Amino acid sequence: KQEVTQIPAALSVPEGENLVLNCSFTDSAIYNLQWFRQDPGKGLTSLLLIQSSQREQTSGRLNASLDKSSGRSTLYIAASQPGDSATYLCAVTDTEYGNKLVFGAGTILRVKS
Amino acid sequence: EAGVAQSPRYKIIEKRQSVAFWCNPISGHATLYWYQQILGQGPKLLIQFQNNGVVDDSQLPKDRFSAERLKGVDSTLKIQPAKLEDSAVYLCASSWGQFYGYTFGSGTRLTVV
Repeated sequence: KQEVTQIPAALSVPEGENLVLNCSFTDSAIYNLQWFRQDPGKGLTSLLLIQSSQREQTSGRLNASLDKSSGRSTLYIAASQPGDSATYLCAVTDTEYGNKLVFGAGTILRVKS
Repeated sequence: EAGVAQSPRYKIIEKRQSVAFWCNPISGHATLYWYQQILGQGPKLLIQFQNNGVVDDSQLPKDRFSAERLKGVDSTLKIQPAKLEDSAVYLCASSWGQFYGYTFGSGTRLTVV
């Protein structure tokens, strides 16, 4: 059974800091890995999607890496801003049953101005 | 393109009552998902439809939860009777098919008192 763990559970940083969010998964037989952002009371917004054959993806100040063999991914946020405050969720696509996303519990990020 | 529409946004009911949620996916998306997100946890898949057929409902509590997808388009999720532990956000998502990216709706926040 696929399990996804995210560390830390919560993070508070001053504006301008670079930060790293960690995600680990137990079964390396994944199709892809995604990072989502969730704002309070809102749905999920996809930030980055890394296919299993890729090592990293970048979008603006965000960079996500994937080490499939070790079951790890990191999300790097450069020059954090108060608007980055949200919950960040990592999810892997489980290949056992089609396109089923298995989520971690998330990291709650607060960027202080 | 229009997003995934869900209604209602909020619902408060007493335990043992019934409730229904509605989802309208993005036009043309063949795959539709219902996820349950309990406070402090990542979303958990309840049921996955491919057109109007069920692909995965292994984590759906079938004694009280039911879901259908009419004509392969809109979907409803019903809980009858509700329990206190059903308090959660219910997220609907859709995609073009297996292994394509998801689009999530804003969710329905259910409180059972």
